[in-house]
Amino acid sequence: EVQLVESGGDLVQPGGSLRLSCTASGFTFSSHSMNWVRQAPGKGLEWVAYISSSSSSIYFADSVKGRFALSRDNAKESLYLQLYSLRDEDTAVYYCARGQDWNTGAFDIWGQGTMVSVSS
Amino acid sequence: EIVLTQSPGTLSLSPGERATLSCRASQSISSSYLAWYQQKPGQAPRLLIYGASSRATGIPDRFSGSGSGTDFTLTISRLEPEDFAVYYCQQYGRAPKTFGQGTKVEIK
Repeated sequence: EVQLVESGGDLVQPGGSLRLSCTASGFTFSSHSMNWVRQAPGKGLEWVAYISSSSSSIYFADSVKGRFALSRDNAKESLYLQLYSLRDEDTAVYYCARGQDWNTGAFDIWGQGTMVSVSS
Repeated sequence: EIVLTQSPGTLSLSPGERATLSCRASQSISSSYLAWYQQKPGQAPRLLIYGASSRATGIPDRFSGSGSGTDFTLTISRLEPEDFAVYYCQQYGRAPKTFGQGTKVEIK
């Protein structure tokens, strides 16, 4: 079964850090670009970050640029999002999502999401 | 950044009716890199349409997408009870890969 499973969400204080993971199964992870998308409670979808299949291209939304880091380990079929200097407005469900091909593509497979809560 | 504006915000319809959802981009979207997603409460989004008009795997043919340039439409020909949800358009051709604010299709 083609699947993405996120983990690492937690309650963290403002200014804190967190590492989210996304583990893939059922497909050739190294052939696909990957993304993170977040959704604040009761709000719409916000694209957060993108990484190409070989990690040669990485992009971030302006709202997280300089505070988040993105990496992947194709041998472990895993994607990582490191969150630093967390703010209240980073509170959201974070989804990892597969791009249809190595470079771009619509997001055809989504994980179930992991909740990040930033609060003192 | 390409801004996507969806209309209407909420669509109140009855099962069996036709739904027409609009997505307008602030600038032309290259190669029709426009997708539509469906999201139900408590669930992850699901890809319906990519490339403006291609249905994703397993998506019923009552869902269709059209448009190019800056104006795109998602049509649900006859609403089934399971189609009542929130729908998002997204451009994925260049970063930031922006989403529209969503259209909620609710039961009238």
